[in-house]
Amino acid sequence: GESVGLHLPTLSVQEGDNSIINCAYSNSASDYFIWYKQESGKGPQFIIDIRSNMDKRQGQRVTVLLNKTVKHLSLQIAATQPGDSAVYFCAELRGQKVTFGTGTKLQVIP
Amino acid sequence: GAGVSQSPRYKVTKRGQDVALRCDPISGHVSLYWYRQALGQGPEFLTYFNYEAQQDKSGLPNDRFSAERPEGSISTLTIQRTEQRDSAMYRCASSLAIGDYEQYFGPGTRLTVT
Repeated sequence: GESVGLHLPTLSVQEGDNSIINCAYSNSASDYFIWYKQESGKGPQFIIDIRSNMDKRQGQRVTVLLNKTVKHLSLQIAATQPGDSAVYFCAELRGQKVTFGTGTKLQVIP
Repeated sequence: GAGVSQSPRYKVTKRGQDVALRCDPISGHVSLYWYRQALGQGPEFLTYFNYEAQQDKSGLPNDRFSAERPEGSISTLTIQRTEQRDSAMYRCASSLAIGDYEQYFGPGTRLTVT
């Protein structure tokens, strides 16, 4: 199958620990920020989004934090599981156009 | 229900040939997007449609690339006179409504130009 993430930053986390994946963005005019998960051989899968006028949003086991002052976005995954192993992309949405950032490969150590 | 499907899944073509990549979005989805993804990188926007109307084609690399969605459902991305640099994974995504940022991606077509 396809291997995504050959030269990506890698975060290795022990199973059960929390993971924090960071992303810097450039466009202050973005409407939404979105996190996608991409498993090997598959297309990106939507995880969670945050509107640009918010600073925190929580989902199931995931939390996204937005710091507009420093143009920083983070994804926190609680109690990381082996199934969380994937490449994670942050993305910016302006209008209907999505711009993906550089991915981070998350490796969960059993 | 069925997700986004793309065909072919793999395409090997010789330089100079034309290729047509097909995307079948989730039934009822209004918006359809095309991306290109290089290994180790995020998807790169190419173009998108709302219904049959192409809204933004600013991401198409050059005039060898074109896309259509004549009946507002299936879309075709065509690359004419392919070059080796066109080799990549081409991904399609669809969303339910205009402005709906949750996009559902297909499995992609791996294009290799030899």
